[in-house]
Amino acid sequence: GEDVEQSLFLSVREGDSSVINCTYTDSSSTYLYWYKQEPGAGLQLLTYIFSNMDMKQDQRLTVLLNKKDKHLSLRIADTQTGDSAIYFCAERGIRGSTLGRLYFGRGTQLTVWP
Amino acid sequence: NAGVMQNPRHLVRRRGQEARLRCSPMKGHSHVYWYRQLPEEGLKFMVYLQKENIIDESGMPKERFSAEFPKEGPSILRIQQVVRGDSAAYFCASSPPSGMNEQFFGPGTRLTVL
Repeated sequence: GEDVEQSLFLSVREGDSSVINCTYTDSSSTYLYWYKQEPGAGLQLLTYIFSNMDMKQDQRLTVLLNKKDKHLSLRIADTQTGDSAIYFCAERGIRGSTLGRLYFGRGTQLTVWP
Repeated sequence: NAGVMQNPRHLVRRRGQEARLRCSPMKGHSHVYWYRQLPEEGLKFMVYLQKENIIDESGMPKERFSAEFPKEGPSILRIQQVVRGDSAAYFCASSPPSGMNEQFFGPGTRLTVL
């Protein structure tokens, strides 16, 4: 669970959909998370999914999980300028004492153009 | 219900001084996690604590860093004899005793070492 990879940048126009992608390494059952970080702020938990699920939807957010490919995506419908932020994908540790820790990707900077 | 509180929000230290970072978890939360974020990087796990117990400190540097979560009061991350490489944002997260599925983050302490 230590290698969580994300593309670093994504630019979209206001009103379009944004899709942020992430790959993770651990094939065992685990929780996967999406956090949002605005400049100078902490991390806001957006949503999370357990690895036995394929999809989770919450208002404008849709999480898709392809467990076979270890690929997670976050789709933001009708993207707004207020969605501009860094989005982090994270995987929860699954073994023994690592159960508590989250492994984070480097984050995807989403820029929304008006 | 107040969120996770961290103070100070900004801390400036000269090389060789000590830095003390405080974290008050959300009400009812007994699990605390510390993460470090270097510039343009994701968050890296440092330590996971429960009240009066260190559960996992495998992400902590072996020297100069220590953490505690006493029975009463906030969790403290202590960095002795700071060096420039310690400059980073330090985030605390907490989760309830029922499970670790959700970690809620504080706003972070931004440490600058001159």
